Order: sequence, then structure tokens, then C-alpha cells
Amino acid sequence: ETGVTQTPRHLVMGMTNKKSLKCEQHLGHNAMYWYKQSAKKPLELMFVYNFKEQTENNSVPSRFSPECPNSSHLFLHLHTLQPEDSALYLCASSQNRGVRPIGYTFGSGTRLTVV
Amino acid sequence: AQSVSQHNHHVILSEAASLELGCNYSYGGTVNLFWYVQYPGQHLQLLLKYFSGDPLVKGIKGFEAEFIKSKFSFNLRKPSVQWSDTAEYFCAVHDDNTDKLIFGTGTRLQVFP
Repeated sequence: ETGVTQTPRHLVMGMTNKKSLKCEQHLGHNAMYWYKQSAKKPLELMFVYNFKEQTENNSVPSRFSPECPNSSHLFLHLHTLQPEDSALYLCASSQNRGVRPIGYTFGSGTRLTVV
Repeated sequence: AQSVSQHNHHVILSEAASLELGCNYSYGGTVNLFWYVQYPGQHLQLLLKYFSGDPLVKGIKGFEAEFIKSKFSFNLRKPSVQWSDTAEYFCAVHDDNTDKLIFGTGTRLQVFP
């Protein structure tokens, strides 16, 4: 375990379903991130939360909706997804001192398949 | 905005061969550079990082990387690879201006015994 826990590990959902991905960190970090990892593409940064405030939304479609209720938990709510949204969704956390992060710790990811 | 290029998409080596994986980044001010490794079915792990100081950085598992500012490069090296090094390797740069960690496309390394 890395200290960043993601659930579920695997998720298969239909295009009309609503589901949520969960991320939890107990490292005392103050920033959390959602990344999308697709085959043969760079990891894409989706959302950034610093001290529970969303500071970045990287032009992500509205069918992805993040929620950060506290500095230890991060959710990604999914609805009416498309097959091309199938990917590995990674959560990460870091301790940001000013603007320089002290390393990133990644979770194991949720493998999402949209059918 | 920063961008990261990894030119080697797939590298195949025999055990004991030397490894060098290329990473180039676009200039955008102060850079913090990272190499991550992802073993099959596992999470991304930090191999090494460069913030400042000695441009030759030692990481875990015998890996090292050299920051060459004039070439905008941060290549990863290992003198003698092992079968257990089979994994995907990602170079990343943290952009202080935007506070984003930007990844390259990754290099898949296969090491045969």
C-alpha cells in the first residue's frame, strides 16, 4: 500500500449509470489530484485540489464531477460516460510547500470500463 | 506550458545490458523533474527526483538520472538491468507556475533473462 487508497479497483459501468470513485490518503498531504491513464497517451491531469479547494479543472467534460469533502478524501462522480472514457483513473496526493510539491504519492488506480 | 517527451516507446534488453531512457522537457522556468516506474499491475512509484543541486541524481534500485540544463534533458540510466526492471517508466516535470505535474507518454521496458 502506498498510503493512497483507491476504491473500487475495477469498475464496469453502462453509459447510463452513475457511479463514484473514491480516494483516501492518510499521509497528511494537503493536495490531491485525479489523473487519467489511457493506453499510449501521457497521464492526463484532470483535477487538482489544494487545501480542499479546486484549483484546476483541465477542461474535463462535465460528466466527470469531483468532490473533496476534506483534505483526506477525494471522489470522482461519473455519469453518462462514453466508451472512450474507459481508462485507469489514478488518484495522487502531495504535500505542497508553497508551489513546490514534496513528491507525489499515487494510488493503485481504478480500472474503469464503460460498456 | 511545460511538456515532456519520451522518445523511446518500447525498449527490449537482455539482462545485464545497460539502459538509458530519454526524457526532454520544454523550458518554462524553474523545473522539478521526476522519474516514476509502474510495474505490471502496480501503482506508480517514485524512482528519483531532481529539485536543485547536483545534476546527477541517484534513485532506488540502482537507477540514476542526469539533469542537463543546456539540453533540457533528464535521462534515466542503469548500468546493468535485471528481469525485475521490466515495467513502464514515466518522466514527469512539475511546472511551478501552474503547479501541475506533467507526464511523458512513458517507455515500456522489457528485460529478457
